Amino acid sequence: DVKVTQSSRYLVKRTGEKVFLECVQDMDHENMFWYRQDPGLGLRLIYFSYDVKMKEKGDIPEGYSVSREKKERFSLILESASTNQTSMYLCASRKRHEQFFGPGTRLTVL
Amino acid sequence: RKEVEQDPGPFNVPEGATVAFNCTYSNSASQSFFWYRQDCRKEPKLLMSVYSSGNEDGRFTAQLNRASQYISLLIRDSKLSDSATYLCAVETGGGNKLTFGTGTQLKVEL
Repeated sequence: DVKVTQSSRYLVKRTGEKVFLECVQDMDHENMFWYRQDPGLGLRLIYFSYDVKMKEKGDIPEGYSVSREKKERFSLILESASTNQTSMYLCASRKRHEQFFGPGTRLTVL
Repeated sequence: RKEVEQDPGPFNVPEGATVAFNCTYSNSASQSFFWYRQDCRKEPKLLMSVYSSGNEDGRFTAQLNRASQYISLLIRDSKLSDSATYLCAVETGGGNKLTFGTGTQLKVEL
């Protein structure tokens, strides 16, 4: 079974803090993705990576950065968290046409 | 116009009913199409891929209409356990990323 794990299920941070969201997959997938999901807006792609040290901007990259130093790990970084970044963050990895999601991190920025 | 659009619902149907969802996409060059299911407070999971010839998996049938640029999902003999949000996804951008619709909520009632 493919497993995508995320470092936290719930996270509360303060405005201006630097936030790291970690994602690990155990199936040697090349492609990994970070989304945020908000009511009425659906899943929106923040960044994706198709190989180690490679990254591509998604539809809403502003305020975020990513790091992929190892194939199995894809990190999302909020350099200076803001209240409008309160959301559910979902990581995913992809094998051919099937995309597997992690359980999500509910981030609240106060 | 959004890349991928769905009616958000909710669709409230009695057990045993047949229900259909549509999803339209704007990029005529899109190649691959999928339906995902997302239960409340859970991550999305692949329900089925959508092929040009259509495909069926038990009570679920997915179809693609390239001329009108939409995909559909038909659920026959609805069960209470079918209650969930159904997300359509379209492969864009050279095949590395999926664009998701905002999802259609289905509630199956006794």
